[in-house]
Amino acid sequence: DTGVSQDPRHKITKRGQNVTFRCDPISEHNRLYWYRQTLGQGPEFLTYFQNEAQLEKSRLLSDRFSAERPKGSFSTLEIQRTEQGDSAMYLCASSLGVSPTGELFFGEGSRLTVL
Amino acid sequence: DQQVKQNSPSLSVQEGRISILNCDYTNSMFDYFLWYKKYPAEGPTFLISISSIKDKNEDGRFTVFLNKSAKHLSLHIVPSQPGDSAVYFCAASDYGSGNTGKLIFGQGTTLQVKP
Repeated sequence: DTGVSQDPRHKITKRGQNVTFRCDPISEHNRLYWYRQTLGQGPEFLTYFQNEAQLEKSRLLSDRFSAERPKGSFSTLEIQRTEQGDSAMYLCASSLGVSPTGELFFGEGSRLTVL
Repeated sequence: DQQVKQNSPSLSVQEGRISILNCDYTNSMFDYFLWYKKYPAEGPTFLISISSIKDKNEDGRFTVFLNKSAKHLSLHIVPSQPGDSAVYFCAASDYGSGNTGKLIFGQGTTLQVKP
């Protein structure tokens, strides 16, 4: 399978713990995006990387959130001191430059439950 | 501010009939409009898109119509099949604004196609 891969698929944690999600984009895709989706809502943009550079961050990305893409390949999203409001599906997407259709390729997501 | 809106949370149609999903937007600078389909526990998958310079794009059973003056687009599925039952997200991108390629999503419409 050469699609976008996310790990873990599910994570249950207690409030106050730190969690980290990993995203492996489609090979050679230079653009990588993180989104968050809560129940009944569409995906909300969190942050965007072009190669290893983080070029845009949403105001939704509080200081407890940090994302990296150290070598321009895989990316990690860390949430420190989790809160119950962080419970959501975290989606990763990638693209190779500007797609002629505007399409981003999404992974299956990492579902976070904070107890 | 919700730049992309899907005002119908759900839609139910009979197999073989037409499904029409609607989407409104506020930003006249959007370049591309896309529709994604999402099954439970899976990531969104790209369905069809349309450039802002066109008013119609067709791909098999799926047709997207764009009315720029009304800032409205719609997705027509003809004929509808039970396998089309999913959540449909409308999304828009603005390549002129920093060229990030990020997508802004609506809240989604749950389509149920009854056999």
